[in-house]
Amino acid sequence: QKEVEQNSGPLSVPEGAIASLNCTYSDRVSQSFFWYRQYSGKSPELIMSIYSNGDKEDGRFTAQLNKASQYVSLLIRDSQPSDSATYLCAATDSSYKLIFGSGTRLLVRP
Amino acid sequence: EAGVVQSPRYKIIEKKQPVAFWCNPISGHNTLYWYRQNLGQGPELLIRYENEEAVDDSQLPKDRFSAERLKGVDSTLKIQPAELGDSAVYLCASSSGTGGHEQYFGPGTRLTVT
Repeated sequence: QKEVEQNSGPLSVPEGAIASLNCTYSDRVSQSFFWYRQYSGKSPELIMSIYSNGDKEDGRFTAQLNKASQYVSLLIRDSQPSDSATYLCAATDSSYKLIFGSGTRLLVRP
Repeated sequence: EAGVVQSPRYKIIEKKQPVAFWCNPISGHNTLYWYRQNLGQGPELLIRYENEEAVDDSQLPKDRFSAERLKGVDSTLKIQPAELGDSAVYLCASSSGTGGHEQYFGPGTRLTVT
């Protein structure tokens, strides 16, 4: 099992809908969790970090962490075409090394 | 606040040639990272510095890659000699500490080895 796994997508949603991006992780990474957005040809941009079970909201973004089920998700409300990008899930291992998933490509249709 | 600065942004070299990348982290960030990102993949850590000390270089191919962070600020990553498989985007990131601190990435250097 990969340490951080994501569906490569693309996930296609209409403008204004809620986009739900999911990520599962192994026992090797269980410390801190992050979501990054990466536009084509650009570098990763930090969206949110989450460290404990539950939800964390920031504007249109909500990160959800469930350590018992070993998944972390990112919800994007009122999706906009400008949200179209690859979303990278990342988690730290016991030495605080950041391990990335391969990313999920999101396409928001106007 | 200025972000992470990297140069050059693009580099094209022939195989067996040397190449160097430079990074200036966010002011006050004592932890600096070099990552490599291949197409369709997430970034993979090459080396992590805490101040001047390389605390994790287990993923750095030491036969051809070297890095330094003099005075605990700027850092340079070098490849000598470059191979075709080194073509990738090299990303520098920094954080205000380890222990799960948030990492902020620079724009990256896209390396093409021909």
